[in-house]
Amino acid sequence: DSGVTQTPKHLITATGQRVTLRCSPRSGDLSVYWYQQSLDQGLQFLIQYYNGEERAKGNILERFSAQQFPDLHSELNLSSLELGDSALYFCASSGLAGGRTDTQYFGPGTRLTVL
Amino acid sequence: AQKVTQAQTEISVVEKEDVTLDCVYETRDTTYYLFWYKQPPSGELVFLIRRNSFDEQNEISGRYSWNFQKSTSSFNFTITASQVVDSAVYFCALNAGGTSYGKLTFGQGTILTVHP
Repeated sequence: DSGVTQTPKHLITATGQRVTLRCSPRSGDLSVYWYQQSLDQGLQFLIQYYNGEERAKGNILERFSAQQFPDLHSELNLSSLELGDSALYFCASSGLAGGRTDTQYFGPGTRLTVL
Repeated sequence: AQKVTQAQTEISVVEKEDVTLDCVYETRDTTYYLFWYKQPPSGELVFLIRRNSFDEQNEISGRYSWNFQKSTSSFNFTITASQVVDSAVYFCALNAGGTSYGKLTFGQGTILTVHP
């Protein structure tokens, strides 16, 4: 158990809908990262937050947004969902400056299925 | 840009065999970090090891060992006397920092199946 929690574990929804994925980092960690794992794209970095501020952005679609709250938990919002958004979404957290020296510990993931 | 290549898509071995998973990376940064993660059938990503670009010492942890060679941009992972519980997908990842801060660039993964 990495100490990172993600809810829900599974999510099934329809095209065009909006969902919110939630992540609680390990106790004391200031950085939160979101990754998408799909069969065709593999594991892709989406976005990083550090202590409430956006720090780095990957190939995150405009339909996707995220935020980190004062209690350090984070939410990833996915809207206007398409079939291709079906994937496993991971949250990770790390404790130091949120840079390359950090080890990222991953949560169990949320499996999103868009029908 | 950073890139990680795991050329072996799938490896199948019989229990107690040794197996090496290859990882080759590309980066222009002189300071970077390399990682290996394991994804068992249950789906979570489990951290195995982190190495920085200045430390080329090989590392051993039980049946696991890692060989980092800067000259060939490789960071290979060997499992000695494999066990069925080692069956998983293994990912090599690179964090080269810069404006990407904590972004991990992952390889495509190697599916390891250990047969009894």
